[in-house]
Amino acid sequence: DGGITQSPKYLFRKEGQNVTLSCEQNLNHDAMYWYRQDPGQGLRLIYYSQIVNDFQKGDIAEGYSVSREKKESFPLTVTSAQKNPTAFYLCASIGGHTIYFGEGSWLTVV
Amino acid sequence: GQNIDQPTEMTATEGAIVQINCTYQTSGFNGLFWYQQHAGEAPTFLSYNVLDGLEEKGRFSSFLSRSKGYSYLLLKELQMKDSASYLCAVRDSNYQLIWGAGTKLIIKP
Repeated sequence: DGGITQSPKYLFRKEGQNVTLSCEQNLNHDAMYWYRQDPGQGLRLIYYSQIVNDFQKGDIAEGYSVSREKKESFPLTVTSAQKNPTAFYLCASIGGHTIYFGEGSWLTVV
Repeated sequence: GQNIDQPTEMTATEGAIVQINCTYQTSGFNGLFWYQQHAGEAPTFLSYNVLDGLEEKGRFSSFLSRSKGYSYLLLKELQMKDSASYLCAVRDSNYQLIWGAGTKLIIKP
């Protein structure tokens, strides 16, 4: 079945450390997105990509970086510059009339 | 700027009907989505509207009025499992997704 696979489900980051969240889709979608969600809040856009080798900053891109070397893959790196990274991260793609989400990744700073 | 407004929280009784409103001001319009999100989980698709009118899907219906920049999600025969957040999103003329902050629905026995 087609879908989006995010990993890991749970991740712990130490101070000053970079961590990378994986997002893979086999839906053949061009557009992919990364969102951050804090408890009780809505989705905030970090980065999006509408085509391979191109991506755009969203509303809260500071402290994050992405790459889009393959259509299927859109990894997100949370850098040490992101001072408050503890949140739920969602990867998504859109095809036709549906937005598909991965299961999400919980990132906690320890 | 672009904006989507939804009530922050609503409470309803099991077995009743509830309507969750969504109003939007966006740069153009290319469809409106409703998603359900249980705490700690990813959102799941409920409905998509691009033309005016009502779309019915089981206990859930969604209505759109493009001239008014307005949509609602209607949930009938409420069940305890319907306790969740409901997210409204609009795709604008540049095919960008604009999300509302979500409506937390609390169902009481």
